[in-house]
Amino acid sequence: GAVVSQHPSRVICKSGTSVKIECRSLDFQATTMFWYRQFPKKSLMLMATSNEGSKATYEQGVEKDKFLINHASLTLSTLTVTSAHPEDSSFYICSAPDRLGIGYTFGSGTRLTVV
Amino acid sequence: GENVEQHPSTLSVQEGDSAVIKCTYSDSASNYFPWYKQELGKRPQLIIDIRSNVGEKKDQRIAVTLNKTAKHFSLHITETQPEDSAVYFCADSKGGGSNYKLTFGKGTLLTVNP
Repeated sequence: GAVVSQHPSRVICKSGTSVKIECRSLDFQATTMFWYRQFPKKSLMLMATSNEGSKATYEQGVEKDKFLINHASLTLSTLTVTSAHPEDSSFYICSAPDRLGIGYTFGSGTRLTVV
Repeated sequence: GENVEQHPSTLSVQEGDSAVIKCTYSDSASNYFPWYKQELGKRPQLIIDIRSNVGEKKDQRIAVTLNKTAKHFSLHITETQPEDSAVYFCADSKGGGSNYKLTFGKGTLLTVNP
C-alpha cells in the first residue's frame, strides 16, 4: 500500500520547451506532496511542497514561475518545468506522507534531460 | 529539520566487516530519523527509521542509534555484503508521515569489496 506513481520516468526535451511530471497516489489520498531535485552524485534537495487546494510553498532559491506546481486533487500533483534549460537537467522525485502516517513514500523519479 | 550533516561521504569496507555512518542534526524539534538506501537512478528505499522516544532500533544486520542530547544518529551495518553497496542518506523530520518535510544529509557512497 501507499504507492506513488510518477510519470514519465525519463524525458528528453529541447531548450525552451516545457515538461510536465505527474505524481499520483494510487491507494491513498495525498494532501501533501514534496518535490525534490537530485543532481548526479548529490543529495535530494527539496524544491517545494504542494498542498491540495492551495498554493505550493517553495524553498528559498527555487523560482516558482519556472517550476509550476499544481495539486488539484487528493491523488494528483504535477510539476511543470517551464522554458527548460540544460541546467534543469536532473532527477526529479516526489514524495508524500504515507497513509499510515508513519513515514513517506516516494515516486520512482523522472530523469529530465534538456538538450 | 534545518540542517543535517552526514559523514563520511565515501566508505569502503571488506565483505563481512561492519560499516558505520553518522549524522548530526540541528533542529531540536526533529523527532523522526530515517535512513534510505539509493541505487543509481532509483528511488530512495527506507531501510530503517527511529523516532525520538527510542534510543536504538535493530533489524537483522541493520541498526540505528539516536542520541537526542548530542543531536546525532548513526547507521550500523554488520556483516556487510557486496549487495549493500549503494548510496545511503540520513534524513530528519519534525514528524514522520506528516506534512513536515524530510531534510536529507549529503549521502555516503558505501562500497563493499568482495
